[in-house]
Amino acid sequence: DQQVKQNSPSLSVQEGRISILNCDYTNSMFDYFLWYKKYPAEGPTFLISISSIKDKNEDGRFTVFLNKSAKHLSLHIVPSQPGDSAVYFCAASGFSGGGADGLTFGKGTHLIIQP
Amino acid sequence: EAGVTQFPSHSVIEKGQTVTLRCDPISGHDNLYWYRRVMGKEIKFLLHFVKESKQDESGMPNNRFLAERTGGTYSTLKVQPAELEDSGVYFCASSRLAGYSNEQFFGPGTRLTVL
Repeated sequence: DQQVKQNSPSLSVQEGRISILNCDYTNSMFDYFLWYKKYPAEGPTFLISISSIKDKNEDGRFTVFLNKSAKHLSLHIVPSQPGDSAVYFCAASGFSGGGADGLTFGKGTHLIIQP
Repeated sequence: EAGVTQFPSHSVIEKGQTVTLRCDPISGHDNLYWYRRVMGKEIKFLLHFVKESKQDESGMPNNRFLAERTGGTYSTLKVQPAELEDSGVYFCASSRLAGYSNEQFFGPGTRLTVL
């Protein structure tokens, strides 16, 4: 049972345009969401996060939007650059009595930026 | 600041053998997590240490896997005896024990191949 879903295995975007990556979750106990970027043979690199008390968080070219009622979040990258080509993972977690829980990941979306 | 390091980067062993993976978290990070990615699937949580204590080991596949974090610094993950289905990339991540956030920083991973 996948609790975090990224339904697009791949996405191709022209350089300079906006990239929009989507993620859906089913577990209403999740209250912290993250996006990671991953290059081949490397570990995931943290990009941006958002807590459930917010609906938007922005960091430079990256903005994450959270729609709690729809259990949906998205990552916007604008403008897209060739170096953004990578696999993007959506992740979610809750907070139990012991602090931050382990992350639940989606399967990833391979973003390809075309020149 | 040095990132999360993992050793070895690759390990090829035969079924039935033992392998020990090591993770050195970022200095000062009390949270340490182990994850595994089996080929083609999502990154899955294995367990979570807070300092030297196991906070959550709900993701450990079975009792052939043993994780330790003596002294609350580095951690080891031992697989004994290894089976074919244990092949995959094992990631370690760490984070600070501070407030309402869960930004986890990942190491490069150890690629384990069981023949």
